[in-house]
Amino acid sequence: NAGVTQTPKFRVLKTGQSMTLLCAQDMNHEYMYWYRQDPGMGLRLIHYSVGEGTTAKGEVPDGYNVSRLKKQNFLLGLESAAPSQTSVYFCASSYFTSGELFFGEGSRLTVL
Amino acid sequence: GEDVEQSLFLSVREGDSSVINCTYTDSSSTYLYWYKQEPGAGLQLLTYIFSNMDMKQDQRLTVLLNKKDKHLSLRIADTQTGDSAIYFCFTGGGNKLTFGTGTQLKVEL
Repeated sequence: NAGVTQTPKFRVLKTGQSMTLLCAQDMNHEYMYWYRQDPGMGLRLIHYSVGEGTTAKGEVPDGYNVSRLKKQNFLLGLESAAPSQTSVYFCASSYFTSGELFFGEGSRLTVL
Repeated sequence: GEDVEQSLFLSVREGDSSVINCTYTDSSSTYLYWYKQEPGAGLQLLTYIFSNMDMKQDQRLTVLLNKKDKHLSLRIADTQTGDSAIYFCFTGGGNKLTFGTGTQLKVEL
């Protein structure tokens, strides 16, 4: 049972490049989330999904897009990366909206 | 201000008790959680408390909830070096799913 898996774990981009982070969960969870973690700012919610085919904005959605075409996958896209998007990104999933969150190991993104 | 506030740092000596505090604004949460993040890893659930409880004890961990003041605390008894990590308060519920800033606990010998 892998839980929540994120790929890639590390990536370096140049300003303006695009990329996609993939999150996969094998727990049949309805809810999935993307957070970013920056020093002194805790975790901030970027986008989330309450089920297959749905997405919604979190606290800091600008510059990111997401898709949930399959229940087990939640993709986070950066269309034109900026240095301000240098961060550690965490995916999480939960069975219900106020339930325990299960986190991936994180993806460290550096934008030069 | 922030929806969930925590102190950024706490330093204790091995064997002492640690108390990590959290204040929050959203009182609609059914559960309130404490997560632990070790270096280079994701967050893992440490413990949680139902919003209709005042206290929960789980081995070395004690969670206190003061709903009137919207204050949550985590006490770790007999703190060990393995407890060194960042601890996050999390108010589950609603759509904000807000984490605190995290408190970095450093345990000194």
